[in-house]
Amino acid sequence: AQSVSQHNHHVILSEAASLELGCNYSYGGTVNLFWYVQYPGQHLQLLLKYFSGDPLVKGIKGFEAEFIKSKFSFNLRKPSVQWSDTAEYFCAVNAPGNTGKLIFGQGTTLQVKP
Amino acid sequence: DADVTQTPRNRITKTGKRIMLECSQTKGHDRMYWYRQDPGLGLRLIYYSFDVKDINKGEISDGYSVSRQAQAKFSLSLESAIPNQTALYFCATRTGTGRTGELFFGEGSRLTVL
Repeated sequence: AQSVSQHNHHVILSEAASLELGCNYSYGGTVNLFWYVQYPGQHLQLLLKYFSGDPLVKGIKGFEAEFIKSKFSFNLRKPSVQWSDTAEYFCAVNAPGNTGKLIFGQGTTLQVKP
Repeated sequence: DADVTQTPRNRITKTGKRIMLECSQTKGHDRMYWYRQDPGLGLRLIYYSFDVKDINKGEISDGYSVSRQAQAKFSLSLESAIPNQTALYFCATRTGTGRTGELFFGEGSRLTVL
């Protein structure tokens, strides 16, 4: 079965540090990839998405992600984190077929210390 | 106003009680989804619906049922709640065309079963 794995469950960084969150998926076919963010007490919001074309995708709030097909990876990066980036981050991949279902990773909690 | 609205936002109930979580959307999307979020497990799909006559089970549908009353409304029911159904529940929608649509989430319904 298709799956998504996020390697880091809990990350603690100081402000201005660089961030990279790992995401690997298992599906070998055409994929659409997403990163969602959930700020404390809020719903999930889309950070960025990859459908095709340039494998380096830029999203909101200075986030970017790189799709590396050979590694089945879609890692999220930000050069300099802020305290306001404290949140939970979810990687997701579309399920095969046209159901629109997304399969989510376990999530990574990011805590940024001021 | 939110495009995807869930009620109630918080609910505490007892084992064996029937609970309904409601979701309504103003985005005009055909497809609606119910996910459950548990710490360390990410989001898991309970049920999804392509339209009022097309409802499908997700990964973890046991113990749950749904009703698609209209294009804009999709309710999740727990016929006899049990403590391991304590979780944060999210409704999501997406457009029905193509494979590249993202999901739009409601603000979540936190359910506690005692």
